[in-house]
Amino acid sequence: AQTVTQSQPEMSVQEAETVTLSCTYDTSESDYYLFWYKQPPSRQMILVIRQEAYKQQNATENRFSVNFQKAAKSFSLKISDSQLGDAAMYFCALAGSNYQLIWGAGTKLIIKP
Amino acid sequence: EPEVTQTPSHQVTQMGQEVILRCVPISNHLYFYWYRQILGQKVEFLVSFYNNEISEKSEIFDDQFSVERPDGSNFTLKIRSTKLEDSAMYFCAVTGQDSYEQYFGPGTRLTVT
Repeated sequence: AQTVTQSQPEMSVQEAETVTLSCTYDTSESDYYLFWYKQPPSRQMILVIRQEAYKQQNATENRFSVNFQKAAKSFSLKISDSQLGDAAMYFCALAGSNYQLIWGAGTKLIIKP
Repeated sequence: EPEVTQTPSHQVTQMGQEVILRCVPISNHLYFYWYRQILGQKVEFLVSFYNNEISEKSEIFDDQFSVERPDGSNFTLKIRSTKLEDSAMYFCAVTGQDSYEQYFGPGTRLTVT
C-alpha cells in the first residue's frame, strides 16, 4: 500500500523568511510522481510543484523548490521569501502507475507579518 | 493549465435524497477523477474515469455512487441516497498535458442534513 505522511500539522514563518515543509512517503513502485498542492481558505486545490521520481534534479518553481531524497523517501517543500498569500494548507501527494493521488494529512502554514 | 468548473458550489440536501455534482472541463480531457475531503480530514480518492469507463475506484465508491459523462463534456458524480457522512467537499480533477498531473476544480461543498 502507498502512504504519505506529513508530520507537521502546523508551521509558522515570518514574512520574507524561508520555511520547509516535510513529507515522507512509502511505495513499492519504481515509477511514481510526487506533488505539493496548496489549499487556501477558499478550499480550491492548487498544484504548486511536481517531481518525477526518475529525475534526480530537484524541481523548482519560482520561490518554491523541493528536496527529493529518493532513498530516504522524503519530499520536502521549501518556500523562499514567504509572502502573506502563501498562507494555506499544503498537501503532499503521491501518484503511482494508476495515477490516483494518495494524500498526506496536510500542514497548515501561517505567515506572520 | 487546464481549467475545470464545478456546479453547484454548495449543495444542501436532506438525508436520503439524491444529488448530482457536475464537473465541466474547459477543454478536452481523457482522464477524470473525483476526490472528497471531509472537513478536517485527508483528501480521499473516489474514482477515476477514462475513455467513458471507470478505470479505478476506491472502497468508498460503493453502490450508492455512480459517475457518467452523459453528453461528452459534463462529468457527473451521483450519490443516490445521501447520508450524513457524505457531507464533504467534492473535487473533480482532470489531467493536463502530462497525464500524471491533475488539476482540480473549485469543488462542491455538500452538506447533508
